[in-house]
Amino acid sequence: DTGVSQDPRHKITKRGQNVTFRCDPISEHNRLYWYRQTLGQGPEFLTYFQNEAQLEKSRLLSDRFSAERPKGSFSTLEIQRTEQGDSAMYLCASSLMSYEQYFGPGTRLTVT
Amino acid sequence: GNSVTQMEGPVTLSEEAFLTINCTYTATGYPSLFWYVQYPGEGLQLLLKATKADDKGSNKGFEATYRKETTSFHLEKGSVQVSDSAVYFCALSESPVMRFGAGTRLTVKP
Repeated sequence: DTGVSQDPRHKITKRGQNVTFRCDPISEHNRLYWYRQTLGQGPEFLTYFQNEAQLEKSRLLSDRFSAERPKGSFSTLEIQRTEQGDSAMYLCASSLMSYEQYFGPGTRLTVT
Repeated sequence: GNSVTQMEGPVTLSEEAFLTINCTYTATGYPSLFWYVQYPGEGLQLLLKATKADDKGSNKGFEATYRKETTSFHLEKGSVQVSDSAVYFCALSESPVMRFGAGTRLTVKP
């Protein structure tokens, strides 16, 4: 399978803990995106990378969130001091430049 | 700013019924338009797209036409199957960001 993969698929954590998610894009894709999807809503853009450079961040991305894409390959999204409002599905997508985005299966985060 | 509005769901149909899910958009310029489908427990899959006015995107029996005059991109299928049960998202591209509608849940009963 050469699609976008995400790990873990599910994460349950207690409020105040830090969590980190990983995304592996389609290998030839140079752009990588993170979205957040809450129940009953469409995905909302968080941030994106072109190669290793983080080029845009949404105002939804508070200072507790940080994303990296070392070497322009996989990416990690870390949430520090999680809050119950962070509970959501975190989706990763990749694309070749501005062509259509391909999504991974998502990481479902539950903060208790 | 740019936005996408989808018809509210849920939509419940019998197998072989005709499907329409309405989508309208607000945008400056002429963005590309997309329909994505999300099956239970999975991520979004690209269903079809259209990149300019009057283009028709089609895939797996689904189709949608980019209508600039009505700023619409309605999804249609002539005969739905149980396996089409999923959530459908209309989206526009304001590169590099995709902006999505809230989704419409479709349930097809045998």
